[in-house]
Amino acid sequence: SYELTQPPSVSVSPGQTASITCSGDKLGDKYACWYQQKPGQSPVVVIYQDSKRPSGIPERFSGSNSGNTATLTISGTQAMDEADYYCQAWVGSTVMFGGGTKLSVL
Amino acid sequence: QVQLVQSGAEVKKPGASVKVSCKASGYIFTDYYMHWVRQAPGQGLEWMGWINPNSGGTNYAQKFQGRVTMTRDTSISTAYMELSRLRSDDTAIYYCARELAVAGNINWFDPWGQGTLVTVSS
Repeated sequence: SYELTQPPSVSVSPGQTASITCSGDKLGDKYACWYQQKPGQSPVVVIYQDSKRPSGIPERFSGSNSGNTATLTISGTQAMDEADYYCQAWVGSTVMFGGGTKLSVL
Repeated sequence: QVQLVQSGAEVKKPGASVKVSCKASGYIFTDYYMHWVRQAPGQGLEWMGWINPNSGGTNYAQKFQGRVTMTRDTSISTAYMELSRLRSDDTAIYYCARELAVAGNINWFDPWGQGTLVTVSS
């Protein structure tokens, strides 16, 4: 069965760039999106269609998707970006989520 | 503004059923598919399926087929998710989420409901 694999955790210093990967077989042939979930809150989409930002999402969030890997990049990471991040893609008529990555801003 | 408001927390015994509601406002309910996603304590997101509020058509994740039923009441812009034969490992927060799409294969979820905690315990 199809799987999306994310690193369990990523650490970054404030002001630096954080990259979170999501790997799956030929993921680049599909469209990926990314959700941010802070403790006790519902997920919020930060990237859709591989690289598009919804209105209200800061420009420091960007995305790419090629080959077997989609990547969420946060430039100039701020303390408020500390959260869990989930990638998501459609596989046929089924929705798949990655296991999630905890981003720590240290 | 677009909003999804879910019903309150539930405590159920193993073997029972639970029905969670999701009331939509701020948009035309029948224009967008509604999905259900759950999250066990400390775990990741797990997709359960979708309902087309216009036709009532559904698509369930294989894991939940035979145990989940998604319905809707268009007169009150509300979607429902019922899970039967509950087990302790069904303890989770259940979310509804509206699907947005720009094409047949470019879809994402926005917004999400606030979540409903379902606890299964004897």
